[in-house]
Amino acid sequence: SQQGEEDPQALSIQEGENATMNCSYKTSINNLQWYRQNSGRGLVHLILIRSNEREKHSGRLRVTLDTSKKSSSLLITASRAADTASYFCATDGAGSYQLTFGKGTKLSVIP
Amino acid sequence: DGGITQSPKYLFRKEGQNVTLSCEQNLNHDAMYWYRQDPGQGLRLIYYSQIVNDFQKGDIAEGYSVSREKKESFPLTVTSAQKNPTAFYLCASSIGWTGGDEQYFGPGTRLTVT
Repeated sequence: SQQGEEDPQALSIQEGENATMNCSYKTSINNLQWYRQNSGRGLVHLILIRSNEREKHSGRLRVTLDTSKKSSSLLITASRAADTASYFCATDGAGSYQLTFGKGTKLSVIP
Repeated sequence: DGGITQSPKYLFRKEGQNVTLSCEQNLNHDAMYWYRQDPGQGLRLIYYSQIVNDFQKGDIAEGYSVSREKKESFPLTVTSAQKNPTAFYLCASSIGWTGGDEQYFGPGTRLTVT
């Protein structure tokens, strides 16, 4: 069964705007990861946040984790056309070390 | 170049035929994974291997088989028993096998069965 669920399913913004995607999950986790997938390609790891962390930054990316609400958000600041892709959250936990992926948020950045 | 390669990029087969998808990595990673992705969907785990000569079923293993005879190779066979094999197949590897390890993905193989 899928653990993480991203919201919204699709997001369209203008270049330069910020993009926020959310991920909710059902059971306790050890780690949460975010990945990007360009159309028809493999996934690329963006950032990992552990259950005892609340916020992490990497370049234009900011990830937050609220374990009490079982949710995470990914913020991409000053978006570029090259950020157009699908973004997936992946969680472990619930007695398994394996990652469970959500269905993704499809981000379109309009130049 | 270090990374994961999958071949071929596109594969076409007739119904009833078995087909093997290749996955090779030169990252010296212990763990390897096979995922299936359907349009507009997330990834679903088919099989994973934590170490050579060992592998475990994932969430949707029925109709698939794997082998892990070498550390760098983890081929996936889609058998005729898989009821709906047309999909995008992704191979991944990680240095360890916990959820705290980043997974590196190959470019994928798009399989079409008619």
